[in-house]
Amino acid sequence: EIVMTQSPATLSVSPGERVTLSCRASQSVRSSLAWYQQKPGQAPRLLIYGASTRATDIPARFSGSGSGTEFTLTISSLQSEDFAVYYCQHYNNWPYTFGQGTKLEIK
Amino acid sequence: EVQLLESGGGLVQPGGSLRLSCAASGFSFANYAMAWIRQAPGKGLEWVSALTASGAITYYVDSVKGRFTISRDNSKNTLYLQMNNLRAEDTALYYCAKAIEVSGGPRDYWGQGTQVTVSS
Repeated sequence: EIVMTQSPATLSVSPGERVTLSCRASQSVRSSLAWYQQKPGQAPRLLIYGASTRATDIPARFSGSGSGTEFTLTISSLQSEDFAVYYCQHYNNWPYTFGQGTKLEIK
Repeated sequence: EVQLLESGGGLVQPGGSLRLSCAASGFSFANYAMAWIRQAPGKGLEWVSALTASGAITYYVDSVKGRFTISRDNSKNTLYLQMNNLRAEDTALYYCAKAIEVSGGPRDYWGQGTQVTVSS
């Protein structure tokens, strides 16, 4: 099983700031990497797949990069609605696995 | 509009059974892989089971193998999860999720979840 490790666990940031979240895979997942956003009481929402392709209706301030074992999600200018938990997930082979999540908090 | 509506959750004793259903609408259900993903209270996301668009290929996380069975009825646009011999650690919110393609991959639509609580 591929272990996905996200860092940091929690990030305190101010609106308008640029933020970068990291995700590392225990072995190569090529570009089979997705990012999700989850707000309290809501289902996760797909943000990025294929490591860098934005999902439908996702704002351009969200971008993803990386391949192999190292990936990043960047939010160029944080909006109030972006404070949430972010999960990475590989889908290179079964079992698909999620990272433990990074919580973005308002500073 | 894509909609996924889960049902069938509830409170069950250890060793008991439940059958979850997910009614899909707003897309060609038979053309997409589907999955069940769960989230224990205050915890992260965990893949439980998945199957391809035809249902011919199924996947299970090790902790549920031999106890859970995923299936689909493409004529009814419905996904199922039969859960037997339930354990306390199966307590979670169970989401139904649609893949972006036939064989699998990331999930672009999720239901709101159905709560499963295993307790005596």
